[in-house]
Amino acid sequence: NAGVMQNPRHLVRRRGQEARLRCSPMKGHSHVYWYRQLPEEGLKFMVYLQKENIIDESGMPKERFSAEFPKEGPSILRIQQVVRGDSAAYFCASSPQTSEYEQYFGPGTRLTVT
Amino acid sequence: GENVEQHPSTLSVQEGDSAVIKCTYSDSASNYFPWYKQELGKRPQLIIDIRSNVGEKKDQRIAVTLNKTAKHFSLHITETQPEDSAVYFCAADSSASKIIFGSGTRLSIRP
Repeated sequence: NAGVMQNPRHLVRRRGQEARLRCSPMKGHSHVYWYRQLPEEGLKFMVYLQKENIIDESGMPKERFSAEFPKEGPSILRIQQVVRGDSAAYFCASSPQTSEYEQYFGPGTRLTVT
Repeated sequence: GENVEQHPSTLSVQEGDSAVIKCTYSDSASNYFPWYKQELGKRPQLIIDIRSNVGEKKDQRIAVTLNKTAKHFSLHITETQPEDSAVYFCAADSSASKIIFGSGTRLSIRP
């Protein structure tokens, strides 16, 4: 049973470009969470999704950030017009339907904005 | 809003000694309290968790205690080893089915 997969592992974007981060949950998991981690800091909740539904996006910046979890395929975190302050590690986690709170993390995507 | 506070931010202990990390939470409806370990450059990994119907849980050298009345919970690591060096995060679930993380404790084990 493969774990949570994220790609790319490293992403470099120039200011103003778009960043797309992908997350494939563990098999059998239907809940996906995205977190942002700045260097030497904790994990900040961004968004919680189930298939085709955004359940809680209270941690998402109002502009430039969006997330989806389509019926087929991975969850996508999209950052438009990136700025230097978006540089961070972005982790996704998934949990099984039957145990909503046991979250298992992917390896993260390290985004660098130049 | 919901908040989880974690102390200390850094902790250094002699190998073989015990380490204790403490957290408090604000949402009285929280029922699930996981602890994660994150090694440098790696993903956070769930090491132990506790639910509100239990006051203590132990797994080999790791134990977690929960005081719901006081809204605090703690991680105890006994007989520490070099591989215990990492950043540890406590967390608590919130009413919106999301997890709120503490700010982390950097644990260093001195040889």
